[in-house]
Amino acid sequence: ETGVTQTPRHLVMGMTNKKSLKCEQHLGHNAMYWYKQSAKKPLELMFVYNFKEQTENNSVPSRFSPECPNSSHLFLHLHTLQPEDSALYLCASSQDAGGNSYEQYFGPGTRLTVT
Amino acid sequence: RKEVEQDPGPFNVPEGATVAFNCTYSNSASQSFFWYRQDCRKEPKLLMSVYSSGNEDGRFTAQLNRASQYISLLIRDSKLSDSATYLCVVTGGPMDSNYQLIWGAGTKLIIKP
Repeated sequence: ETGVTQTPRHLVMGMTNKKSLKCEQHLGHNAMYWYKQSAKKPLELMFVYNFKEQTENNSVPSRFSPECPNSSHLFLHLHTLQPEDSALYLCASSQDAGGNSYEQYFGPGTRLTVT
Repeated sequence: RKEVEQDPGPFNVPEGATVAFNCTYSNSASQSFFWYRQDCRKEPKLLMSVYSSGNEDGRFTAQLNRASQYISLLIRDSKLSDSATYLCVVTGGPMDSNYQLIWGAGTKLIIKP
């Protein structure tokens, strides 16, 4: 399935590095999301974009910086991360961020390890 | 108290058996409820919505109990391919944004041959 793709699939970075995660959706959706999934914890919503406009920033530290150049692409820029930021980062999309937001389609995720 | 609570499991169940697990939620104003499924090292996928009147899809039945604030998932005639983590998802109240899905940490199910 290639509805939502994410690159890279795995990333190891040092605390002083700068890297970016990329997400692309081919579903014609208008809303895109970044989630963090840590082991044995619920998914944490980080950012929401609806029609390219950021509608949610869920108290995420500034070392995470999202970018949404169009409705199909979403980036998460990372810099000076901490080891506790190691997790699976999932991108998702939905038709919009309103009444059609319940069915979210996820990408395979980027497994991030911060050393 | 967690907003959405699930027994993490794992539930070890023989193939062909019936298994059920619950999820409790704390916000009595929550409006919509869902079960997602996440296979090992894969992304979550919507399994089914949970309606007030209950919802059945093949071997899967979902129920909502608003009075006790829980939803349940029943799997009949379990298959090896049902092995996965089942995530309970709840929306907020009428004043919350529609996209604010509140996720449980999941219940791990292992079907054994």
